[in-house]
Amino acid sequence: DGGITQSPKYLFRKEGQNVTLSCEQNLNHDAMYWYRQDPGQGLRLIYYSQIVNDFQKGDIAEGYSVSREKKESFPLTVTSAQKNPTAFYLCASSIGLIQETQYFGPGTRLLVL
Amino acid sequence: QQQVKQSPQSLIVQKGGISIINCAYENTAFDYFPWYQQFPGKGPALLIAIRPDVSEKKEGRFTISFNKSAKQFSLHIMDSQPGDSATYFCAASMPRNQFYFGTGTSLTVIP
Repeated sequence: DGGITQSPKYLFRKEGQNVTLSCEQNLNHDAMYWYRQDPGQGLRLIYYSQIVNDFQKGDIAEGYSVSREKKESFPLTVTSAQKNPTAFYLCASSIGLIQETQYFGPGTRLLVL
Repeated sequence: QQQVKQSPQSLIVQKGGISIINCAYENTAFDYFPWYQQFPGKGPALLIAIRPDVSEKKEGRFTISFNKSAKQFSLHIMDSQPGDSATYFCAASMPRNQFYFGTGTSLTVIP
């Protein structure tokens, strides 16, 4: 059963703490993306990766970091530098970057304690 | 600034009615315009997409109308059903570039 999995579903962050959101895909897609969703603001791109060991900043990369060591995995770390991390985080993948359909995971909701 | 402007923010339609959501863009380099549907607590899923070489695309009850000269495109949902109640996002992209999403429209279809 192919798809994108994100874990955990809910994540709580304490002040000054780094947290990592997991994203795994078994669709054999080359490109992967992280978006942040806030009410009334749509989806905003944090980072994207076209291939393994390569990734690019999106529109709101400050306070976030990513890695792409394996084709199927693209974890996102929300660092303590991100002062307003409360949001719904969505991971997506596509065959390539050439306007292919993006398939989204179920999301992780990050809350600050 | 917002690359794609979407309206309305929310929409309430009676069952059987037509739901219309509008999007506008400025960058004429955009050449791919998808619509995504998102249910609460879930990730968005592609609903229908269009390229600017056609003015309309229909898939079942869902139709995209595209006006290249006005730089506008819209989603029409015919015979709207309660199961269509969701948030809808338009998006736009140019070759080998990221997607730019609209701010979303929350659709409620009343039985």
